[in-house]
Amino acid sequence: DTAVSQTPKYLVTQMGNDKSIKCEQNLGHDTMYWYKQDSKKFLKIMFSYNNKELIINETVPNRFSPKSPDKAHLNLHINSLELGDSAVYFCASSQPEVPYEQYFGPGTRLTVT
Amino acid sequence: AQTVTQSQPEMSVQEAETVTLSCTYDTSESDYYLFWYKQPPSRQMILVIRQEAYKQQNATENRFSVNFQKAAKSFSLKISDSQLGDAAMYFCAIGGIQGAQKLVFGQGTRLTINP
Repeated sequence: DTAVSQTPKYLVTQMGNDKSIKCEQNLGHDTMYWYKQDSKKFLKIMFSYNNKELIINETVPNRFSPKSPDKAHLNLHINSLELGDSAVYFCASSQPEVPYEQYFGPGTRLTVT
Repeated sequence: AQTVTQSQPEMSVQEAETVTLSCTYDTSESDYYLFWYKQPPSRQMILVIRQEAYKQQNATENRFSVNFQKAAKSFSLKISDSQLGDAAMYFCAIGGIQGAQKLVFGQGTRLTINP
């Protein structure tokens, strides 16, 4: 069984569109994260949610809005997509007691044309 | 703020030989964790090895071991008996144990294994 899954794996869209990336974990973890990996492979935290509550927001443009309907899901909605949003987006999860054990999803490659 | 620096954008090694990837970091935390992650072409992030800062003993996982020098804030990864499957991007990362639990990553080192 997949521990952390993301859909879709690939997403190609045009500038100005709105899109969502879904993330689900079946590990029973309370904490979920979104990371962005840019074209130079640099990985950086975007958001972190603990039990549906936002705990980290790393100066991400407000066009990006995470939504956590329950603690097993953390979706990423992006409005008015820009060329610079093209990247690979990774979801991850962990338990608060063991934050260093973060389990990553397979990533979603977003291409904005 | 925590920072991680990997000064080797690319490294290569002959199959079956040993290679060491460098990492330095900075943090104001007294307790933290250090990690090496592997990202093969499939782009899946795979945890290779973890080191707790309060432990003096270097972590080892099969062919992978670290050289952790806390005073120098250095955390290098040694891969012994390199295999073709070790070819990947390798990322060094630091994570706190309190407060925000984000991982801060280095820029990555692309490792090539020559047959």
